[in-house]
Amino acid sequence: EPEVTQTPSHQVTQMGQEVILRCVPISNHLYFYWYRQILGQKVEFLVSFYNNEISEKSEIFDDQFSVERPDGSNFTLKIRSTKLEDSAMYFCASNRGYEQYFGPGTRLTVT
Amino acid sequence: RKEVEQDPGPFNVPEGATVAFNCTYSNSASQSFFWYRQDCRKEPKLLMSVYSSGNEDGRFTAQLNRASQYISLLIRDSKLSDSATYLCVVNGLGNQGGKLIFGQGTELSVKP
Repeated sequence: EPEVTQTPSHQVTQMGQEVILRCVPISNHLYFYWYRQILGQKVEFLVSFYNNEISEKSEIFDDQFSVERPDGSNFTLKIRSTKLEDSAMYFCASNRGYEQYFGPGTRLTVT
Repeated sequence: RKEVEQDPGPFNVPEGATVAFNCTYSNSASQSFFWYRQDCRKEPKLLMSVYSSGNEDGRFTAQLNRASQYISLLIRDSKLSDSATYLCVVNGLGNQGGKLIFGQGTELSVKP
């Protein structure tokens, strides 16, 4: 069964550094998303992406964040200058129909 | 009012018990509804979509009441492996590219 994959599984970085989180969505899916979950809190939407452009973003997704689909398979989330409060699990998701499927997540720790 | 609100839990039940989770949503225009389960520090996994007519998948039954903006999940004959956090999720726009809005989750612990 096809799955969404994400790398790395855990990323530790220092405050102010740039990080890139990578995702490979399910191959025939058309819509791609990033969500995050701070420890002990609910899953929150960050951004959706369709047809090579952002279709919606939340207020969390400020100028420090960007997304890209550099080739036919990868979907990346870049955080330009990380803050302590960016520490969270970041989940990528994709869908073709109405049901979204999530990758295993990247645990980002900002020190 | 929270966009998606769930029973806070935790629910501690013995194996074989029937347990029900409730959820309400605030946006009456919402069109698509789901239950996901999340194991500790793992990704949300789709359990089932929720349809107006109600739907059943083995031991799991989901119901939707649009008039009351209420969604439920019933688990019958609970197993140890059902222990997880159950997430009530709403697609705000109901379209294929719409963002998902998550509830806080209800933790279930099934004991022997």
